[in-house]
Amino acid sequence: DGGITQSPKYLFRKEGQNVTLSCEQNLNHDAMYWYRQDPGQGLRLIYYSQIVNDFQKGDIAEGYSVSREKKESFPLTVTSAQKNPTAFYLCASSMGGPPQHFGDGTRLSIL
Amino acid sequence: KNEVEQSPQNLTAQEGEFITINCSYSVGISALHWLQQHPGGGIVSLFMLSSGKKKHGRLIATINIQEKHSSLHITASHPRDSAVYICAVGGAGNQFYFGTGTSLTVIP
Repeated sequence: DGGITQSPKYLFRKEGQNVTLSCEQNLNHDAMYWYRQDPGQGLRLIYYSQIVNDFQKGDIAEGYSVSREKKESFPLTVTSAQKNPTAFYLCASSMGGPPQHFGDGTRLSIL
Repeated sequence: KNEVEQSPQNLTAQEGEFITINCSYSVGISALHWLQQHPGGGIVSLFMLSSGKKKHGRLIATINIQEKHSSLHITASHPRDSAVYICAVGGAGNQFYFGTGTSLTVIP
């Protein structure tokens, strides 16, 4: 079955470290998205990519970076510049419009 | 003010009860989505609608474009319906706004 795979499910980071969250899809979707979810808040868009080798900043891109070298992969790096990285991160994809499929998420915590 | 407001934030129901979750939005939209987030965090799309009403099993979603309001109804609720239900609207371009979610607990 097609879907989105996010890994790992839980991730711990030390202060000052960069960490990369994986997102892979086998839906042949062109568009992919990264969202951040915090308690009591709606999902907020970090980055999105509508096509390979192209991506755009979302509402809260500071402290994050992405790449889209392959259609099926859209990894998110949380850099040390992100001062409050503890959150739940969701990856999503679509044929080109709003996100249609979501992954199961990665919960990032700071040690 | 959030572009999408949901109510209630939390809801507890007895098994078998009829449940209604409300969503109001303030932006012009192309479509409205109802999403279900499981306790583990994964999200599933339940409905996408731009007018009228849709039904899938025990779930019914309605939208009133003039009033900028949508409702999600669950008939004969069951403990397995316990989840967070999120309303989201697609605006102009790639804009997509999420509500903060309604946490539903159905007690046996």
